[in-house]
Amino acid sequence: QKEVEQDPGPLSVPEGAIVSLNCTYSNSAFQYFMWYRQYSRKGPELLMYTYSSGNKEDGRFTAQVDKSSKYISLFIRDSQPSDSATYLCAMISNTGNQFYFGTGTSLTVIP
Amino acid sequence: DTAVSQTPKYLVTQMGNDKSIKCEQNLGHDTMYWYKQDSKKFLKIMFSYNNKELIINETVPNRFSPKSPDKAHLNLHINSLELGDSAVYFCASSQDPQGSHTDTQYFGPGTRLTVL
Repeated sequence: QKEVEQDPGPLSVPEGAIVSLNCTYSNSAFQYFMWYRQYSRKGPELLMYTYSSGNKEDGRFTAQVDKSSKYISLFIRDSQPSDSATYLCAMISNTGNQFYFGTGTSLTVIP
Repeated sequence: DTAVSQTPKYLVTQMGNDKSIKCEQNLGHDTMYWYKQDSKKFLKIMFSYNNKELIINETVPNRFSPKSPDKAHLNLHINSLELGDSAVYFCASSQDPQGSHTDTQYFGPGTRLTVL
């Protein structure tokens, strides 16, 4: 079983839709949770960063962490064509010595 | 100004060759990393360098060796290239002095390596 599971998609939504992206994990040592956005042929860029459980909001983006279910989500409100990219979740243990990325979900927002 | 830069952007070479990929960061960060992203977009850390010391060395073949001439540079040398080495290699840096991954990492644009 992989440390981090993420549905690769592809996911296609109309402009303005609410997008929900998810990852599950098996290692209870993970404490830091991140979402990266990667445009085609570019390096990943950090979108959201949360520690432990709870919600974090930044503009149209909301990250949720449910440690009891080992489940994290990224919501994108009022999705735009410019949101079309691959979204990768990543997780780090409290000691920092375990660091894993999900395989990424490919998202296309259709104008 | 580009924060993390890599050269070359594309690298096509024959099996058995030795090649290098260069990485430079102008952010003044303490730690630099190399990642491999395969065709299925799976991103895996290879190793990281902090103050010229190797902190994490994942189970990568010893044909891969990081070289850090100074804090701003971490180059990746690959010997005896194999078909399975074809991937996109990303360099990253962070301010984290401990190299524990808990600080934000800034990625370079990637180097697409194709081994024929």
